[in-house]
Amino acid sequence: GAVVSQHPSWVICKSGTSVKIECRSLDFQATTMFWYRQFPKQSLMLMATSNEGSKATYEQGVEKDKFLINHASLTLSTLTVTSAHPEDSSFYICSARELRGRGETQYFGPGTRLLVL
Amino acid sequence: GENVEQHPSTLSVQEGDSAVIKCTYSDSASNYFPWYKQELGKGPQLIIDIRSNVGEKKDQRIAVTLNKTAKHFSLHITETQPEDSAVYFCAASYNTNAGKSTFGDGTTLTVKP
Repeated sequence: GAVVSQHPSWVICKSGTSVKIECRSLDFQATTMFWYRQFPKQSLMLMATSNEGSKATYEQGVEKDKFLINHASLTLSTLTVTSAHPEDSSFYICSARELRGRGETQYFGPGTRLLVL
Repeated sequence: GENVEQHPSTLSVQEGDSAVIKCTYSDSASNYFPWYKQELGKGPQLIIDIRSNVGEKKDQRIAVTLNKTAKHFSLHITETQPEDSAVYFCAASYNTNAGKSTFGDGTTLTVKP
């Protein structure tokens, strides 16, 4: 159980185009999903917290007009990188929060590797 | 905010030996501490977690210990195998912080056959 999928797994695009990444919780409902960015050999950097049916909360320094997040249902959140540039090339990972007991557990997707040419 | 420090950054052990990775946290309100294993090109996978109401948790070859007073927690892997080679991340979070976790910088574990 607790499987999170991401699509696509990798994408190559031209500079100036927009790219949409989907994150789905396959066997549980996720009221909260998180989007991370990870550079090679570095830790995960939280970009935003996405709650179903409400606006995402962005971390300091993350441009909300650049990285559009939509959490339309309890099993789907999308991240759209608008007008992508080479510096946006990175590994993007989502996670979904499963509320269990008194704490919470995050389950991560397999990640999406974005290369902007 | 919370600050999590993880040591060592790299760890190399011989197959069959034990590996220990340590993390310290700064916010005494943190009450949930998961450990993740990330293989190259993949997303992190939860391998074990511990909540602040217990001091130790074990799952086969993997164990986690928590010292709330000292604000540190550790991952212990016994009888290491080459397939344990990966990057391991610790994290800390608390319920009222919208579930946001603060991650350590990661430890690259290499198990030599």
